[in-house]
Amino acid sequence: GAGVSQTPSNKVTEKGKYVELRCDPISGHTALYWYRQSLGQGPEFLIYFQGTGAADDSGLPNDRFFAVRPEGSVSTLKIQRTERGDSAVYLCASSSGLAGVGNTQYFGPGTRLTVL
Amino acid sequence: AQTVTQSQPEMSVQEAETVTLSCTYDTSESDYYLFWYKQPPSRQMILVIRQEAYKQQNATENRFSVNFQKAAKSFSLKISDSQLGDAAMYFCACIIQGAQKLVFGQGTRLTINP
Repeated sequence: GAGVSQTPSNKVTEKGKYVELRCDPISGHTALYWYRQSLGQGPEFLIYFQGTGAADDSGLPNDRFFAVRPEGSVSTLKIQRTERGDSAVYLCASSSGLAGVGNTQYFGPGTRLTVL
Repeated sequence: AQTVTQSQPEMSVQEAETVTLSCTYDTSESDYYLFWYKQPPSRQMILVIRQEAYKQQNATENRFSVNFQKAAKSFSLKISDSQLGDAAMYFCACIIQGAQKLVFGQGTRLTINP
């Protein structure tokens, strides 16, 4: 596809449930990033993949959050035992190379997660 | 650690006028990149403009330009000939050389009055 896609667009779940959020990056982009955007705030970094491996997961808030990218393309963000505080928009971005040498991150439309 | 501050939660401008959005940042690094992203209600973060810290010349993209003051750690966005489609949240962001995570400001909501 032309851009980063994320599914589902919206997800409503109950406290304690497990959720998976999917990100499909721009074709050929090797770097993939997840951010979380709480209401009225700027996005905050969660995790970064270069290829299949999580190169930096320092932004994951706790061990209920986990992300994978098994084939170096699509990534899934997994949240166990969801809490109301996990409600936010989860944004995915990709770049053709390392962002730290100036490659631009292109964002998807996000998944709005609501935990009741 | 880097921080990015946008001190204007909301701004408004008349259609066809010019508006400037403010951004300051703090980093101890000398090599970094600065960005302005636009986020309309659709939630998609759209790149507006970028600036490399090593470049003295201010970046421009059509009606969008920046005023980059490295010593003052200031990176403002000027929108000329404002259009209704410019209405959105605008986020300033910074990434230091070698790091991989963007650090964002809190955003400025821009309203365009017809």
